[in-house]
Amino acid sequence: DAGVIQSPRHEVTEMGQEVTLRCKPISGHDYLFWYRQTMMRGLELLIYFNNNVPIDDSGMPEDRFSAKMPNASFSTLKIQPSEPRDSAVYFCASSPYRATEAFFGQGTRLTVV
Amino acid sequence: AQTVTQSQPEMSVQEAETVTLSCTYDTSENNYYLFWYKQPPSRQMILVIRQEAYKQQNATENRFSVNFQKAAKSFSLKISDSQLGDTAMYFCAFMSLSGTYKYIFGTGTRLKVLA
Repeated sequence: DAGVIQSPRHEVTEMGQEVTLRCKPISGHDYLFWYRQTMMRGLELLIYFNNNVPIDDSGMPEDRFSAKMPNASFSTLKIQPSEPRDSAVYFCASSPYRATEAFFGQGTRLTVV
Repeated sequence: AQTVTQSQPEMSVQEAETVTLSCTYDTSENNYYLFWYKQPPSRQMILVIRQEAYKQQNATENRFSVNFQKAAKSFSLKISDSQLGDTAMYFCAFMSLSGTYKYIFGTGTRLKVLA
């Protein structure tokens, strides 16, 4: 398996624009996590899914953020409208049922100007 | 709610020396896992070591070992014979086994190994 695949690797957008980050988890993994990494806050859990169902979205900072998982092989994190303070690295990770390890993608570095 | 605290934002160590990174956590649960992840400049998150809370024996992986003190809720990482390739951000993480399976991370410790 190629691992968790995220796209794009880098995204630069203007304030107010819609941004969509994409993630393909490892096949067979039941859990999918979205994290945001900043210098100040480290790795924050935004939302996670189990079998495509959102379980906990308490980490989503504002209503501008939304996440979907329409099927077991694809998830999106959308920010609309984007703001400069959303600039960060966004990671997607997946893990098998009752996992002992999370497998991370390479992350998307988002810059909002 | 569970929390993970890493109180050392930055550390440095001479090559071949030993360094210990600290981590404390807060939980009311009894069944959980603890992890240390490494993030080199490439940004890739790499699992270094994991510890099951029900095991009293401290986990070891080659030059990496942990000191797990369950009562004190402490989980430190010891790196022996430090190498230049160990330079990275290190994150401590907690995973609940009590139904939620959330991974909670600390804010990280930036380790620099000096030649």
